[in-house]
Amino acid sequence: DADVTQTPRNRITKTGKRIMLECSQTKGHDRMYWYRQDPGLGLRLIYYSFDVKDINKGEISDGYSVSRQAQAKFSLSLESAIPNQTALYFCATSDSSFRETQYFGPGTRLLVL
Amino acid sequence: DQQVKQNSPSLSVQEGRISILNCDYTNSMFDYFLWYKKYPAEGPTFLISISSIKDKNEDGRFTVFLNKSAKHLSLHIVPSQPGDSAVYFCAARVGSEKLVFGKGTKLTVNP
Repeated sequence: DADVTQTPRNRITKTGKRIMLECSQTKGHDRMYWYRQDPGLGLRLIYYSFDVKDINKGEISDGYSVSRQAQAKFSLSLESAIPNQTALYFCATSDSSFRETQYFGPGTRLLVL
Repeated sequence: DQQVKQNSPSLSVQEGRISILNCDYTNSMFDYFLWYKKYPAEGPTFLISISSIKDKNEDGRFTVFLNKSAKHLSLHIVPSQPGDSAVYFCAARVGSEKLVFGKGTKLTVNP
């Protein structure tokens, strides 16, 4: 079984709709992240959480919100989707050690019409 | 302000030859550097890392070099294989803070 899972894997929605992307991890990590990937722009951080009670904005948080329901679950919401939020979204987890690396989920491909 | 830069969006090499992917950074406080590899339809996966106290780290066909004075690191793949074709992301971090990623370089290894 995958250590980091994302649901759904693909989603088509319409402008103005509210949608939620979910992430679960079985690695026991404290830290979780949401990124989006756009062609030519690499991975950009949306939100991150270093523990259940800690939520921080990343570089492109406008239009997004998150919820850390438990150590293992971190959800990303688009309150009112717009077409320029069409992208590939990745969840990642890590521990807090110096040599920690991030482990990524398989991604959610979102299309906003 | 882009702190981690991968100035080559793409690179094409022949199978068996060396692939060199480059990464420049601006923040002298970065003390840990990583390379991630991403195949289409998959999430990025960790490839290799290097601490700022070292100038080289090797793992099989993959070697990362760090030149702190030039604020430059590079990933060497020798010999390159068609299965190495992917997007490679450079990332850097200060202490235990969050990673900062470059925009990626798409490597194509031709048979």
